This record gives sequence, structure tokens and C-alpha cells, in this order.
Amino acid sequence: EAGVTQFPSHSVIEKGQTVTLRCDPISGHDNLYWYRRVMGKEIKFLLHFVKESKQDESGMPNNRFLAERTGGTYSTLKVQPAELEDSGVYFCASSQGGPRETEAFFGQGTRLTVV
Amino acid sequence: LAKTTQPISMDSYEGQEVNITCSHNNIATNDYITWYQQFPSQGPRFIIQGYKTKVTNEVASLFIPADRKSSTLSLPRVSLSDTAVYYCLVGGIAGFQKLVFGTGTRLLVSP
Repeated sequence: EAGVTQFPSHSVIEKGQTVTLRCDPISGHDNLYWYRRVMGKEIKFLLHFVKESKQDESGMPNNRFLAERTGGTYSTLKVQPAELEDSGVYFCASSQGGPRETEAFFGQGTRLTVV
Repeated sequence: LAKTTQPISMDSYEGQEVNITCSHNNIATNDYITWYQQFPSQGPRFIIQGYKTKVTNEVASLFIPADRKSSTLSLPRVSLSDTAVYYCLVGGIAGFQKLVFGTGTRLLVSP
């Protein structure tokens, strides 16, 4: 079974440009999360989808970040316009959900560098 | 969500047992304790989760005392491939709540 996949694995863009990150969760997983780690900091929660609905977006840093989850399948995270401080690794995770759920499955991350 | 404290780093040798202790003094009654492992250039990977006493799986054991204010992840007979960062997280069942990562413990296993 395929795991959580993220695309691209790396992205280098100039300040002011737009970048869109994509996450394909494990098939059938209703829960989808975005996290990120900026340089030297801890992994931080960004937001949580349940199917196509945003359950919790309390971690989104500002309105330059827009996440969508079309039809409750894959998700995109757009940064527009990108700033230098947006550089970091963006992780996506998914989980099935349910009363006995215990773990979230992470993708390998997208390393974003804004220059 | 409860804050966790764990050592920044630990060193070990191949074949030894490694115990990583995490403090979580403010753990809530319905909180679970979960450990994740992360290798360089990869996302975190679930290792084990428990609520109280002892949990064991094919990878590790998790010891939780009665007061649940701390927990210990035990890795038996580590190998070089166990070199990674280990995160202790406290909160609800992973599938329902966002995960709050601390700094983690960087384990280095040497030959």
C-alpha cells in the first residue's frame, strides 16, 4: 500500500513568488494534517482536514498560506507570496480516524527554500 | 496539550539497550503518550503509544508509572540504523488531535 506522498521533494523559489505543495494521503484516510519545521525550530502543526473540511487551522501562520483538499482526497498548500521566513520542511500526515486510531502516517516532506 | 521534556541527545553503542525518559508533569486524564522516530530527510514515524503501565511491540517498549508524569521508551539491542531523533508526544489519540512536537532526543548509535 502506498504511503503518504508529497510533491515536490524540494523547491527553491524567489521571495515574492508562489509555490504550491501537494500531498496525497493514504487512500481512505479521512484525516489530513500539514506540519512544518523552519530552520532550528520544532515541528509545528499548521492545519487539519477531516475529509474536505478544515477541522483546525489554528497553526496557519498568516493569510499568505492557503490549504485546500479537493473532494477529500489530495491536499495542496499554497504560499503566496513567499517570504524568506517560509523556508523550511513541510510535512503532510494522514490518519484513518476512528475510536481506536493510534497513529498518523507522515510523508517525507517538501523542503522549501525561499531566496 | 501537555508539555514534554526529554534529553536533547544520547549516545549508545550497538547491541546496548537504550532508555529515553520523557517528563510530562501536566498530563491530562485522557491524554495518551506517543513516541515517534525521525530519520534525516524523512517524516516522523510512529513507534509506540500507551496510556499506563507497560506496552510492548516488535520495535520497543514503553513504561509508564502509575502517576503518568513521565514515560520511558526502551529500545532493546540498538543498531546503527536506530540513530534518529525520538519524539515524545502527549495528547489525545493521534488520529483525532494535532501532534505537538518538542525538541526530541537525538540518539547516536556507534559501532
